[in-house]
Amino acid sequence: GENVEQHPSTLSVQEGDSAVIKCTYSDSASNYFPWYKQELGKRPQLIIDIRSNVGEKKDQRIAVTLNKTAKHFSLHITETQPEDSAVYFCAASIQGAQKLVFGQGTRLTINP
Amino acid sequence: ETGVTQSPTHLIKTRGQQVTLRCSSQSGHNTVSWYQQALGQGPQFIFQYYREEENGRGNFPPRFSGLQFPNYSSELNVNALELDDSALYLCASSPGLAGVLKTQYFGPGTRLLVL
Repeated sequence: GENVEQHPSTLSVQEGDSAVIKCTYSDSASNYFPWYKQELGKRPQLIIDIRSNVGEKKDQRIAVTLNKTAKHFSLHITETQPEDSAVYFCAASIQGAQKLVFGQGTRLTINP
Repeated sequence: ETGVTQSPTHLIKTRGQQVTLRCSSQSGHNTVSWYQQALGQGPQFIFQYYREEENGRGNFPPRFSGLQFPNYSSELNVNALELDDSALYLCASSPGLAGVLKTQYFGPGTRLLVL
């Protein structure tokens, strides 16, 4: 079945710097890749998603890139702010499989 | 915040007991998925319901079962609770047809502790 690996498990950056989180997936049929942000004790919140017919998507300070050949996708956060501190999860899904397969999560800490 | 709600927020049970968790989907969403999130891990897919039928299941034993009602709300039932069932249980609702994966919006979760 599908497997998603996420790196790094923890990431600490200075406020204002950029953060990059990377995920690889195993099933080449995967075609939907969302990213969720989960603050302590709260629900996962969708922050951006990308489908396999697109190579890059941006939303203000957040961008996601997808490399289908290499089977990896990345989350880029620019101009980081303290409120970006949270656990970020990538996920992948195959159309028709009806489930999201999540990575293990990255704990991002923004240092003021 | 999404319109997905879950109850109860917290629950403590003992081994061998049974538990029922509830989820109300966001207005206009006819699909509900359930996930188990152990501490420090990513959510793991349990199953999905679409129009009151199970529509996909993850690698969980049959003692995990569910229901979806005509108003698209859903229940997750777990029988014969084990210590490893302690986790945050999340439901997620999404619009649209089965077979076409739409964006899933998560509820706040139910934190279950099994003693």
